[in-house]
Amino acid sequence: DTGVSQDPRHKITKRGQNVTFRCDPISEHNRLYWYRQTLGQGPEFLTYFQNEAQLEKSRLLSDRFSAERPKGSFSTLEIQRTEQGDSAMYLCASSLGTEDSVLTFGAGSRLTVL
Amino acid sequence: KQEVTQIPAALSVPEGENLVLNCSFTDSAIYNLQWFRQDPGKGLTSLLLIQSSQREQTSGRLNASLDKSSGRSTLYIAASQPGDSATYLCAVRRPSGSARQLTFGSGTQLTVLP
Repeated sequence: DTGVSQDPRHKITKRGQNVTFRCDPISEHNRLYWYRQTLGQGPEFLTYFQNEAQLEKSRLLSDRFSAERPKGSFSTLEIQRTEQGDSAMYLCASSLGTEDSVLTFGAGSRLTVL
Repeated sequence: KQEVTQIPAALSVPEGENLVLNCSFTDSAIYNLQWFRQDPGKGLTSLLLIQSSQREQTSGRLNASLDKSSGRSTLYIAASQPGDSATYLCAVRRPSGSARQLTFGSGTQLTVLP
């Protein structure tokens, strides 16, 4: 296993378009997280899955954002009607189900909304 | 609400110097604290994880300490090298049983000059 994979690495879109990002976690990890990072800031938590169940969502995740993990493996993060403020790096991480497990992050998907 | 602060925001040192990066957090009720490294445009790499019951962790030239009661952690880098140039982020995790996301600081951008 080569770690957490994210696709695409870069996405440039026009305001109002929909975009979808995919995350493939480490295969034995049952927890999956999405974070958003803007320039010069640390990552901010968006949402968290344990297997296929979405257990927590941040208030940052507006109605235009939706995340799924249908079979408890890969996850998708969709942003509808993108706005310029959505421009950021979207990071995915995964971990085992124990409390002291370390999160392994992917390389991120950078979104630029024109 | 937990807040994590990292000072300084940027640091430039000559090669070979020992240095200390600082991290402070407002709520001492944490489960663990992690230090990450982030190279430009890339994801995060976990460096060290300190459980709330521990005082320090070491890995090679890196040593991280934790003083939970005062809400502080430091990352000590010995004999710095140009390859250490990156942004260093600290993150705290809430106690088990509550939300499991990490709260990150904004990072310290380190430049090691050859």
